Amino acid sequence: EAQVTQNPRYLITVTGKKLTVTCSQNMNHEYMSWYRQDPGLGLRQIYYSMNVEVTDKGDVPEGYKVSRKEKRNFPLILESPSPNQTSLYFCASSQQYNEQFFGPGTRLTVL
Amino acid sequence: AQSVTQPDIHITVSEGASLELRCNYSYGATPYLFWYVQSPGQGLQLLLKYFSGDTLVQGIKGFEAEFKRSQSSFNLRKPSVHWSDAAEYFCAVGVEGGGSYIPTFGRGTSLIVHP
Repeated sequence: EAQVTQNPRYLITVTGKKLTVTCSQNMNHEYMSWYRQDPGLGLRQIYYSMNVEVTDKGDVPEGYKVSRKEKRNFPLILESPSPNQTSLYFCASSQQYNEQFFGPGTRLTVL
Repeated sequence: AQSVTQPDIHITVSEGASLELRCNYSYGATPYLFWYVQSPGQGLQLLLKYFSGDTLVQGIKGFEAEFKRSQSSFNLRKPSVHWSDAAEYFCAVGVEGGGSYIPTFGRGTSLIVHP
């Protein structure tokens, strides 16, 4: 089954404790991206990757890092999480400029 | 930079009534256009998309959308709403250029369906 998986689905952590949210897709898509969803703000892109070893900032990259060492994986790293990063995070992938396939989301709470 | 406006934060309709969700975009050329639906606790699912050609596009679940270049709009419609259509709807535009691709989403419209 074609899908985008994210782990964990739910995470509660404390300020400053490094964390990684994994994202994996099995559709051989070149384009992958991370979004955060906040009430009233819709989806805002954090980072995206056009292909392996090619990443770039989206609209709200501050406080986040990503890497794309393999085509299928695109982890999101929060090196020192803060409460304003409490949000619902989505990973997505697509074949270049086509429709995006979204993961189920990761709900992160930073205390 | 492109932008997407969904003017209605919430829309309430009765089951069986028709529906139109508005979407306007700001971009110099014709971008790629998408409508996604997000059911409670779920990720986003594509309803339909427009790249070129016929300006009236059909999607899943009985939805359709019409691209109007003169109005920079891509409104979503459904002739008869079902209770299961209650969800959040997002319009999105995709713009390519300079070797990059930046999708931009609207803030979403929450659809409430009354029995």
